[in-house]
Amino acid sequence: DQQVKQNSPSLSVQEGRISILNCDYTNSMFDYFLWYKKYPAEGPTFLISISSIKDKNEDGRFTVFLNKSAKHLSLHIVPSQPGDSAVYFCAASFGANNLFFGTGTRLTVIP
Amino acid sequence: SQTIHQWPATLVQPVGSPLSLECTVEGTSNPNLYWYRQAAGRGLQLLFYSVGIGQISSEVPQNLSASRPQDRQFILSSKKLLLSDSGFYLCAWSNVNTEAFFGQGTRLTVV
Repeated sequence: DQQVKQNSPSLSVQEGRISILNCDYTNSMFDYFLWYKKYPAEGPTFLISISSIKDKNEDGRFTVFLNKSAKHLSLHIVPSQPGDSAVYFCAASFGANNLFFGTGTRLTVIP
Repeated sequence: SQTIHQWPATLVQPVGSPLSLECTVEGTSNPNLYWYRQAAGRGLQLLFYSVGIGQISSEVPQNLSASRPQDRQFILSSKKLLLSDSGFYLCAWSNVNTEAFFGQGTRLTVV
């Protein structure tokens, strides 16, 4: 059973515009959420995280929003750059032992 | 600084042969260790995690096993590989309440 879901397998955005990647989760026990970026044949690299006590966290061009009542989080990338093209995974954890990942969204930023 | 090493990077093995993938972490003590598999359309699937030497938790029933003989060593094994074991395997580590850091991955092809 997929506890973390990314319902959009792919997204294309024009360079300079905003990219919004969405993620939904089902387990209300999750208290820590993360976004990872992955290039082909490489391990994922950590991008940004948010604790369940917050609803927004910002780091440069990347902002993560958390809506606990809707069990939804999103990653905003502004402005989008061609180098942002990759697969993005959202992940959630509780108890600091497991990370549950979504299936990923492939972002393509068009120059 | 902490580093994670995972090898080999690629592996082609015949059906029925054994498997041993090794992962080591440097620069940290008592990390949580994880084995993930990325299969087409399945995102990142948690296979095993370990919170200490000899402590292994399995998330999915499968043809694989894991062992943690030392604090910073995590091994993924199989006695007899199946075709369905093909995929991209990732080792990761984390400390409590931090993000997970991934190795470069192993592309396993079972033929």
